[in-house]
Amino acid sequence: SSVLTQPPSVSVAPGQTAKVTCGGKNFGSKSVHWYQQKSGQAPVLVVYDDSDRPSGIPERFSGSNSGNAATLTISRVEVGDEADYYCQVWDSTTDHYVFGTGTKVTVL
Amino acid sequence: QVQLVESGGGVVQPGRSLKLSCAASGFIFSNYGVHWVRQAPGKGLEWMAVISSDGTNKRYADSVKGRFTISRDISKNTLYLQMSSLRTEDAAVYYCALHKGRGWYFDYWGRGTLVAVSS
Repeated sequence: SSVLTQPPSVSVAPGQTAKVTCGGKNFGSKSVHWYQQKSGQAPVLVVYDDSDRPSGIPERFSGSNSGNAATLTISRVEVGDEADYYCQVWDSTTDHYVFGTGTKVTVL
Repeated sequence: QVQLVESGGGVVQPGRSLKLSCAASGFIFSNYGVHWVRQAPGKGLEWMAVISSDGTNKRYADSVKGRFTISRDISKNTLYLQMSSLRTEDAAVYYCALHKGRGWYFDYWGRGTLVAVSS
């Protein structure tokens, strides 16, 4: 089954850009989705199908997917962006859904 | 608007059973697949199970296959997770999640219900 590896933590100053990576095999053939989970809350979808945003999600959140890695980019980071972020794919070989290991984004 | 409200969590002894519910509203329940996702304390998200819109197709994570059963009652707009032979490692917040979009992602989540497994 798929294994999605993310860095445990990313630190960024307010107003700067945060990049969260998600690595896995044959990523180029899979659509990657990203969730934000603030402390004590349920996850929220912030990017789907590699780079699309649900309604209500700021344009500061963007995604890309190339080769064996996907990236969530948060531009002009705000204190309110501090959260855990998870990538997710659907593994067609097992018909299972797989989450990444998660990245804690800290706003300094 | 879409609402998913989980219930049924609590403290249960290892080896015992527990049944979780997820009440759905704000959308046509019978049109969509729905999932259970869990999160152990301080850990990441783990997909558990999915049931198709008509209830005929069910899939499970390897960690719970044979112990957990997902089901749905269209007349009650409710999703269930019957958990048997519970282990300490099953302790987690259990979320129900809706796959409403065209892709393979979860666009709506409930707030979760906490299951503790302890003797």
